[in-house]
Amino acid sequence: GNSVTQMEGPVTLSEEAFLTINCTYTATGYPSLFWYVQYPGEGLQLLLKATKADDKGSNKGFEATYRKETTSFHLEKGSVQVSDSAVYFCALSNTGGFKTIFGAGTRLFVKA
Amino acid sequence: GAVVSQHPSWVICKSGTSVKIECRSLDFQATTMFWYRQFPKQSLMLMATSNEGSKATYEQGVEKDKFLINHASLTLSTLTVTSAHPEDSSFYICSARTGGDADTQYFGPGTRLTVL
Repeated sequence: GNSVTQMEGPVTLSEEAFLTINCTYTATGYPSLFWYVQYPGEGLQLLLKATKADDKGSNKGFEATYRKETTSFHLEKGSVQVSDSAVYFCALSNTGGFKTIFGAGTRLFVKA
Repeated sequence: GAVVSQHPSWVICKSGTSVKIECRSLDFQATTMFWYRQFPKQSLMLMATSNEGSKATYEQGVEKDKFLINHASLTLSTLTVTSAHPEDSSFYICSARTGGDADTQYFGPGTRLTVL
């Protein structure tokens, strides 16, 4: 079945450091891939998405590229801020289905 | 952008009582809504898929008689936790699908349920 695996956290970085959160997936067909962010005590917010191979999703300085050959969708940001501290979820859904499968989440702490 | 609301945002109830959680799409009609459950420091687990005017489809292992879902209109779905017990304490999150050419899923802010 479909699944998403992302790196375990927590990840602790200093402000302005480079961020990478790895995400790989297993899926039949051609899923859409997503990164969601959850700030403390809040629901999920869509951060970025990519719907086909080689697409790059980007938002708020974050970006991720849909790599079909490596079944990966790693999240990157060149310079993190304290306000980026949150839990990040990688997710996939099959076209037309919208049953979203989430990874376990990676907690990010950014120190000033 | 599209907004999905949930009410209440948090609720505390006694064991054995029932609790209803509402999920509304505020500026679009949602043909499909989803209910998720999130345990502390864990990921979201899909509980059920709710289509307007039809019975919800529950994921394996989710008790449909315990978690009653009603999708009465294109903007409202409700989740009722019946005869709640402390192990039902969790963060419940709904999402709604817009459909159409720009088919997108939006998540509600979540409802924290604590059963004493």
